[in-house]
Amino acid sequence: EADIYQTPRYLVIGTGKKITLECSQTMGHDKMYWYQQDPGMELHLIHYSYGVNSTEKGDLSSESTVSRIRTEHFPLTLESARPSHTSQYLCASSESGMGRGTQYFGPGTRLTVL
Amino acid sequence: SQQGEEDPQALSIQEGENATMNCSYKTSINNLQWYRQNSGRGLVHLILIRSNEREKHSGRLRVTLDTSKKSSSLLITASRAADTASYFCATDGVNSGGSNYKLTFGKGTLLTVNP
Repeated sequence: EADIYQTPRYLVIGTGKKITLECSQTMGHDKMYWYQQDPGMELHLIHYSYGVNSTEKGDLSSESTVSRIRTEHFPLTLESARPSHTSQYLCASSESGMGRGTQYFGPGTRLTVL
Repeated sequence: SQQGEEDPQALSIQEGENATMNCSYKTSINNLQWYRQNSGRGLVHLILIRSNEREKHSGRLRVTLDTSKKSSSLLITASRAADTASYFCATDGVNSGGSNYKLTFGKGTLLTVNP
């Protein structure tokens, strides 16, 4: 089991609410990632960070934002949730250095926006 | 753009049989990885094979890589009901700023192992 945690595991909220999905890792990894995954589909990278105060948008456009103030913490925020945001959100981290490409995943947050 | 494509999309076998899943990709890579995902959970890393390697083993897993065909296969031998999961290949792009940190995942193969 990887030492990477996500809360909440499940979230059902109404349209227009602001939400923050939490992700923390205790492995000291510099690199962290957020993926969005619909049921039975591939993962799409929506945000990544290569270290503190570094955040980049991923390959899939997302209305969410992220911050990286501490190495171990990489929260994702939706200012105004909509039904189109309903999905599973997976957080991952990896070590630095060439050849260290393995990503370690949290259990995911399944978000439902009504 | 889609980098990894798994084939087949779904595979159903009996316990004890071998399961083979294939992955094709489009651009040059530094390495290719296989991950497993149990229903509704996060992904678990299974094995990483570098672009200069052709075959790698880990327990009941055997991975091959053919960079000339831009393809990889994952073989699970003597399958068990507990192997039931989705399996994804993931590639890093050589163009990822020279790093191998960003991964592109395929759509996955859903493997069902019947007891």
